[in-house]
Amino acid sequence: GAVVSQHPSWVICKSGTSVKIECRSLDFQATTMFWYRQFPKQSLMLMATSNEGSKATYEQGVEKDKFLINHASLTLSTLTVTSAHPEDSSFYICSATRTGAGGELFFGEGSRLTVL
Amino acid sequence: AQTVTQSQPEMSVQEAETVTLSCTYDTSENNYYLFWYKQPPSRQMILVIRQEAYKQQNATENRFSVNFQKAAKSFSLKISDSQLGDTAMYFCAFMKPPEYGNKLVFGAGTILRVKS
Repeated sequence: GAVVSQHPSWVICKSGTSVKIECRSLDFQATTMFWYRQFPKQSLMLMATSNEGSKATYEQGVEKDKFLINHASLTLSTLTVTSAHPEDSSFYICSATRTGAGGELFFGEGSRLTVL
Repeated sequence: AQTVTQSQPEMSVQEAETVTLSCTYDTSENNYYLFWYKQPPSRQMILVIRQEAYKQQNATENRFSVNFQKAAKSFSLKISDSQLGDTAMYFCAFMKPPEYGNKLVFGAGTILRVKS
């Protein structure tokens, strides 16, 4: 099956610093990846769609200067939380599509960010 | 815009019994995909079952089956012979066909607890 890996799985940082989270498709090429944010016991909220070689498309209400997304290759997308603040603490999940998968998305393990 | 509604925030079931999780959705599309995802305490999103709207036959995966009522826009999940490992948050999700970008719209989720 298709595997998507996220790194780091958890990170703690100080307020004001930037944190980068990586999302990799390990055994397939992903032209499109998605980034979600999830609060405890809540649903996944789509933040942005990441397309290889082009700018990400952000959902309404998501600050693109706060959450920088780069999709430089067919197997890697990164989410950088810039100047992180405690309210940015959350669980971030990525997913990727694979050609021929009939719409199925493959999810990473998620990354827990805690900003002190 | 598409919406997905899960009206049961929490449910519990005895081990070995059957439980049904409800999901309704709203769309003007005729062709689309519907999914049930499971998120156990590890928080890894796991695909449980997928249904293509143009297929009238209800999808089945071992102990998991759906009751897809297209006219009523209903997509419930039945779990038979519940096991302790089924304890998780379950999300119903909607997707337009892949040519529209593979965006998933999630419901709010249902926390299912299987009791021994």
